[in-house]
Parts: sequence; structure tokens; C-alpha cells
Amino acid sequence: DAGITQSPRHKVTETGTPVTLRCHQTENHRYMYWYRQDPGHGLRLIHYSYGVKDTDKGEVSDGYSVSRSKTEDFLLTLESATSSQTSVYFCAINGLAGVADTQYFGPGTRLTVL
Amino acid sequence: DAKTTQPTSMDCAEGRAANLPCNHSTISGNEYVYWYRQIHSQGPQYIIHGLKNNETNEMASLIITEDRKSSTLILPHATLRDTAVYYCIVRVNSNQFYFGTGTSLTVIP
Repeated sequence: DAGITQSPRHKVTETGTPVTLRCHQTENHRYMYWYRQDPGHGLRLIHYSYGVKDTDKGEVSDGYSVSRSKTEDFLLTLESATSSQTSVYFCAINGLAGVADTQYFGPGTRLTVL
Repeated sequence: DAKTTQPTSMDCAEGRAANLPCNHSTISGNEYVYWYRQIHSQGPQYIIHGLKNNETNEMASLIITEDRKSSTLILPHATLRDTAVYYCIVRVNSNQFYFGTGTSLTVIP
């Protein structure tokens, strides 16, 4: 257990509404990540953070914004949700496995945009 | 960028060894190979990683070819609980892991 929680775990919303997903970690790790997972695509990186107020884009960042005002929380915001953003969203943190960095994942948030 | 290629699906008899192959022909010399698995929509779970040498832990063994262009994850005695999607991953850069679509392993009673 890497001490990662995500909230909410499930959410149904309507097209055009704003949505914020929260990732919380208790391990004080510097790096945090947001991925989305869709059938046939595996996991794709949306945004990541390498410190408080330090973020960068991933592979599929369009339509998403993030914020990190404190080490333990990384927020993912859909400013105006669309049906194409229906997905399962996973948060991850970087940790050490021996001498190599690896990533540890939260339980996921299932988002449905109607 | 280093990417990975895995078979879409595999079956394995319960109690037998499951050997999951992965090709990563463009891997760089200092890039680790990681294996994760994902059991039915849970978060991906770290299994093992390696650079050049073969590795073993309580979950699995990782065999990396000498040229590092491919690797094999071995689950020595597969159980029904090992049914999952297995991802072979290399790091794209210092901050990004490329997951791909993985191999869906079904362990058959």
C-alpha cells in the first residue's frame, strides 16, 4: 500500500459541467501523475507534477488542467466535461524499488460523462 | 522513444509456469524494464524491474536477453489469482512510463 487515495471513486456528470478529481498521498513523494485508461489504449499520461506548483503535460493533456498547492494533493480538473472524457482515472506517485524509481498507483476513479 | 510490444492475450494452466514475453528493441542502455499487472480495474501493481541481469522476487522472475531487446516475465506456479493484464514498461524519459496495452493472462483451472 503506497498510501494513495483518490476521491471520488465513482462519478457521473453531464456534458459541460466542471469536474475535479483529487489524489492524496501520505508518503511525501515529490512526483505525482494522472493517467487515464480506456479500452484498447492501456494507460496514458495526462499530466504530472514534480513538486508544489510544478506541473507538466503528458501525452493526452488537452481538456485537462491540474494543480498542486501542497505536496500531498494533486488535483485534476475537467473544466467542461465531454463524453470523450468518460474513463477510469488513476493517480500515481514515484517511489523507490531498490535503486530504480517506479510508480505506485491509487485505486482509480471511474468517471462517466453523459 | 523506447516502446514495448506484447502479445494481446495468453492462457496458462493453473500450477504451471506462465512465461510472458516482451519486445523492447529500442530500449536505451540505461533504461530499466518494469513489469506491472492490473487485476480487473484495480490500480496497476508493481511486480519487478531489471536493467541487465535476471531478477527474482517473491512474485516473479525477470529474464532479460543479453542484447536487452526483449525480456520474459515468469510466474513460476500460476494461480487463478494471477489472471490479470500484465504490462511490460520502459521509461520514456525521466518522468514518463510507457504502458502500452499489455498481455491479458488467463489462468485456467
